[in-house]
Amino acid sequence: ETGVTQTPRHLVMGMTNKKSLKCEQHLGHNAMYWYKQSAKKPLELMFVYNFKEQTENNSVPSRFSPECPNSSHLFLHLHTLQPEDSALYLCASSQALAGNEQFFGPGTRLTVL
Amino acid sequence: SQQGEEDPQALSIQEGENATMNCSYKTSINNLQWYRQNSGRGLVHLILIRSNEREKHSGRLRVTLDTSKKSSSLLITASRAADTASYFCATDNNNDMRFGAGTRLTVKP
Repeated sequence: ETGVTQTPRHLVMGMTNKKSLKCEQHLGHNAMYWYKQSAKKPLELMFVYNFKEQTENNSVPSRFSPECPNSSHLFLHLHTLQPEDSALYLCASSQALAGNEQFFGPGTRLTVL
Repeated sequence: SQQGEEDPQALSIQEGENATMNCSYKTSINNLQWYRQNSGRGLVHLILIRSNEREKHSGRLRVTLDTSKKSSSLLITASRAADTASYFCATDNNNDMRFGAGTRLTVKP
């Protein structure tokens, strides 16, 4: 176990649904990340939070809405998604932004029907 | 956008053989990291090499970095079936970390 947990592990939703992905880290880290991993594509960085403040939004559509209430928790709120949003969503954390290894959660496998 | 590019995209070897994977990148970096991912799971950090380092070892892993060529290699010696996974390089440049598309390694028993 890496110390980063994600729930749910699998999620199937319709295009009109609203759902949320949750990530929690038990490592005392200050930075947290959301990534999207689609088949045969590089890992795509979506959002970065450092000390609860969003430091990067990598041109992500507004149907993805992140929330970081504290340094240990990170959410990704989903609404009106498209089938092409189906992917593995990975959360990661690191002690700091610069020069640190990232610890990844197991991911949420999202399917949008 | 993608920074590192791994080569080859897929590699299949016999148990006991060595596996070498390469990563090329385009801009300057502070460090380069290698990660491993088992199918459908999260990534696991393997090794980090800083821009002023040329080689690092960790168990059966050996990583080299050539900043003049903007390339890195990951060598896994005496491979095992359990090494079957995807391997990614990630370049870190001023807090901007970018992953490549990965090399899919299959080690046949």
